[in-house]
Amino acid sequence: GAGVSQSPRYKVAKRGQDVALRCDPISGHVSLFWYQQALGQGPEFLTYFQNEAQLDKSGLPSDRFFAERPEGSVSTLKIQRTQQEDSAVYLCASSLRGVAGSLEQYFGPGTRLTVT
Amino acid sequence: AQRVTQPEKLLSVFKGAPVELKCNYSYSGSPELFWYVQYSRQRLQLLLRHISRESIKGFTADLNKGETSFHLKKPFAQEEDSAMYYCALSAFSGSARQLTFGSGTQLTVLP
Repeated sequence: GAGVSQSPRYKVAKRGQDVALRCDPISGHVSLFWYQQALGQGPEFLTYFQNEAQLDKSGLPSDRFFAERPEGSVSTLKIQRTQQEDSAVYLCASSLRGVAGSLEQYFGPGTRLTVT
Repeated sequence: AQRVTQPEKLLSVFKGAPVELKCNYSYSGSPELFWYVQYSRQRLQLLLRHISRESIKGFTADLNKGETSFHLKKPFAQEEDSAMYYCALSAFSGSARQLTFGSGTQLTVLP
C-alpha cells in the first residue's frame, strides 16, 4: 500500500517568503508527527496531531511555524517569513494508534527546504 | 528531558567483521528504545525496537538500564548494511509520546 507522502520534495524560498509543506499520512493512521532535520543531525520533534487535534506543539521553534490537520488526514506545515536557519529537511510520520498506544512511526521522504 | 547520544558520526568496518553502533540515553522514566535506519536515497524506517527483542537483518540490540545504553550489534557485517543509523527514545513529553533521536552514525561496510 501507499506509504506516507510529502510534497514538494524540494523547496527553495527567498528569505522572508512564506512556505507550505504538505503531508499525506497512511490512510487510517490516527497519529501524525512533524520533525525538522538539520544537516548532520537527527530529526527533532516539532508537533503532534491525534486525528485533527494538535495535542503537542512544544517543538515548534517560533510563532512563524504553524501546522494544521483540519480533517484528521492531510496535514500542512506552514512557515511564515522564512529565515536561513529554517533550512532543513522536514519529515512527516504517521502512526496507526493514538498517543497512548503509538509505537512504530512510518516516515515520509521529507521536504528539503533551502532558504536563500 | 530525554537525550540520546550516538558518539560516532562515522564508522567503517570490513565485510564479515563484527559491528557495534553505540547509543546512550538519559531519561528518568522507563524508556522505549528504537533503532531506525536510512539507506541511501530511501526514507527513514524502523529497524528494531527493544520491547520486541527481535533480530532484524541479523542486528540485535539489548537495553542495559544500568549503563543507560542500547547498542546495536551485528556479528558479520554485509555491504548492504551501509546506511545511516539513528537511535531513538520514545517518551511522554507534554501530552504526546515523542521520539527523541540521536545525531546518527553513518556505517560503511567495506568490501
